[in-house]
Amino acid sequence: GESVGLHLPTLSVQEGDNSIINCAYSNSASDYFIWYKQESGKGPQFIIDIRSNMDKRQGQRVTVLLNKTVKHLSLQIAATQPGDSAVYFCAENSNYKLTFGKGTLLTVNP
Amino acid sequence: DSGVTQTPKHLITATGQRVTLRCSPRSGDLSVYWYQQSLDQGLQFLIQYYNGEERAKGNILERFSAQQFPDLHSELNLSSLELGDSALYFCASSPSISGSYEQYFGPGTRLTVT
Repeated sequence: GESVGLHLPTLSVQEGDNSIINCAYSNSASDYFIWYKQESGKGPQFIIDIRSNMDKRQGQRVTVLLNKTVKHLSLQIAATQPGDSAVYFCAENSNYKLTFGKGTLLTVNP
Repeated sequence: DSGVTQTPKHLITATGQRVTLRCSPRSGDLSVYWYQQSLDQGLQFLIQYYNGEERAKGNILERFSAQQFPDLHSELNLSSLELGDSALYFCASSPSISGSYEQYFGPGTRLTVT
């Protein structure tokens, strides 16, 4: 039969704009969250992490926001560049396991 | 470069066969994780080893098994292969036993079952 591909949410932005990628997580007991970037043909690459006792964490051009009330995580990328084009995954840790979201495809238009 | 190595990069085999995927973690990392990434299931956790011992299991089929050796490298064995096992298989390593720590991913092994 026909295989069904994973229909990723997509976000298309112009170079230089800010990007916001959202993620809903499932387990209120999760204590650690990570954002990964995966380029075509490569393994996931760590971007930034945040623990559940924090609401916000900033890195270089990236910020992660955690809202535990609604179990929502977001990744903000400032001044998005063509090299930022990739699939972005959020992951949550609970019971010693990382569970990954389905991913969002970010496309940066020059 | 994450420091995690995986071999082979590509593997093509027939249904019913058995294959072994190999992973070398980053220097000093004691935890090794295996993940399967397929088009319709996303990135799925299979199994974790810490310092030679199995620590956590995810959605790993009984046809699949893994081990971690004294030098900390790990192997994932896939047997009685089916078409649906075609996927990317990633290994990740971490210094921590828990999941509450960054995991570093290897480049993956692309398995194609024909």
